[in-house]
Amino acid sequence: LAKTTQPISMDSYEGQEVNITCSHNNIATNDYITWYQQFPSQGPRFIIQGYKTKVTNEVASLFIPADRKSSTLSLPRVSLSDTAVYYCPVDGGYNKLIFGAGTRLAVHP
Amino acid sequence: GAVVSQHPSWVICKSGTSVKIECRSLDFQATTMFWYRQFPKQSLMLMATSNEGSKATYEQGVEKDKFLINHASLTLSTLTVTSAHPEDSSFYICSARDGGGAGGPGEQYFGPGTRLTVT
Repeated sequence: LAKTTQPISMDSYEGQEVNITCSHNNIATNDYITWYQQFPSQGPRFIIQGYKTKVTNEVASLFIPADRKSSTLSLPRVSLSDTAVYYCPVDGGYNKLIFGAGTRLAVHP
Repeated sequence: GAVVSQHPSWVICKSGTSVKIECRSLDFQATTMFWYRQFPKQSLMLMATSNEGSKATYEQGVEKDKFLINHASLTLSTLTVTSAHPEDSSFYICSARDGGGAGGPGEQYFGPGTRLTVT
C-alpha cells in the first residue's frame, strides 16, 4: 500500500514562504498528487492538485520533480490563518485516499 | 467547488444505542463516497467505501456489522454506528468525488465532519 512521508511539524512567521515536502515513493503512474488543508474539527479542504512539473493557483504552488516520488507544497506569505495540518494523501486504489500523518504548520506573529 | 454536507455536526449518545450520520453531496452526484474516522491529534483513517446501490467495502479491521453503511441514492450515504461504546467516540468525516474531466481525475470533497461522543 502506497505511503507518504512528511515532516511532522513546521514553524513559520507571518509573511514568510513555507515549503512542505511530501515523499510518495510508490506513487502509481496514473495518480495525481493532491494536497489538503485541515483545521481543527473540520473536514479536509482541497488546496491544489498536479501531475508533474509545477502547478499554481490563487493560494499555493505545487512542485513535482520528474520522477514524481515527491512533491513540495509552497505557501507564499503565510498568515496566522494558515496554521493547520497539511496532508498529501495517496490513491489507495479505487479512488480512495490514504492519509499519512500530515504536517502540522504553526504560523507565529 | 462542490459541497458535501454532514448531519448532525455533533451528537452525544449513551452507550449501547445506535447513531446515524448522514452524508450528502449537494450539487453533484456521487456513485462512491468514503467514510473516515479521526481521533484527536491523529490523521484520517479510511473506514469504508460506500457504493451506490451495492454493499460497502470495508477496510481491514473495520467491523462491518458495527458500522453499517447505506448508499441509497447518488447524493446520500449514511453511516450507522450500532451499539456504540465510548471507544467509538471520534470525529467521523465523509467524502465524495466528482467525476473529473479532461483537466484531471476530479477532486474529492470532504464533509465538515460529525463529532460523536458516547457516554
